[in-house]
Amino acid sequence: SAVISQKPSRDICQRGTSLTIQCQVDSQVTMMFWYRQQPGQSLTLIATANQGSEATYESGFVIDKFPISRPNLTFSTLTVSNMSPEDSSIYLCSVETRAAAFFGQGTRLTVV
Amino acid sequence: ELKVEQNPLFLSMQEGKNYTIYCNYSTTSDRLYWYRQDPGKSLESLFVLLSNGAVKQEGRLMASLDTKARLSTLHITAAVHDLSATYFCAVGLQGGSEKLVFGKGTKLTVNP
Repeated sequence: SAVISQKPSRDICQRGTSLTIQCQVDSQVTMMFWYRQQPGQSLTLIATANQGSEATYESGFVIDKFPISRPNLTFSTLTVSNMSPEDSSIYLCSVETRAAAFFGQGTRLTVV
Repeated sequence: ELKVEQNPLFLSMQEGKNYTIYCNYSTTSDRLYWYRQDPGKSLESLFVLLSNGAVKQEGRLMASLDTKARLSTLHITAAVHDLSATYFCAVGLQGGSEKLVFGKGTKLTVNP
């Protein structure tokens, strides 16, 4: 299994500002995934973060808005840039092993 | 493009009753997950199904997978109030991509 620590767990931010979310895994993993869950909705993949290369973004998500870092095999950050109220969501990082796909505790972001 | 359809989206049932949640997916997959999410919480892994005919049970929940029909079911037996939550299925693309596509979720309410 994998234990994922994600922080902050929640934040309230002013529009126009940026927030960086951190995700730490207790073992080395090749890929880390960042998801967004809008209120009352399912999870949507934002991007896949590989160590040593640029993240791969899904349709509708761009690097300028959601820059990702992956400095090593146990850590990644997602920044939500120039925030607007529409960015209010839960953001989750995830890793997958053969046993399961594990999720961090999530970051509940409210933009005011 | 992999599409995942989950139904019903909302399910209200009485304690003691049985019911089934369905998860259909559109292309070949090599793994399927079921998750539980309580309000304001992250996702809790319930089951991983990897092969055709796989059946797993934990307490009052049983999951099965039919890869030929591209269908998974989550069966609830003798529901209790503690099972009230939102349940998601997530399907992995076959062939190397580790990306998961989630269903919209089933919000289950078990009434006394």
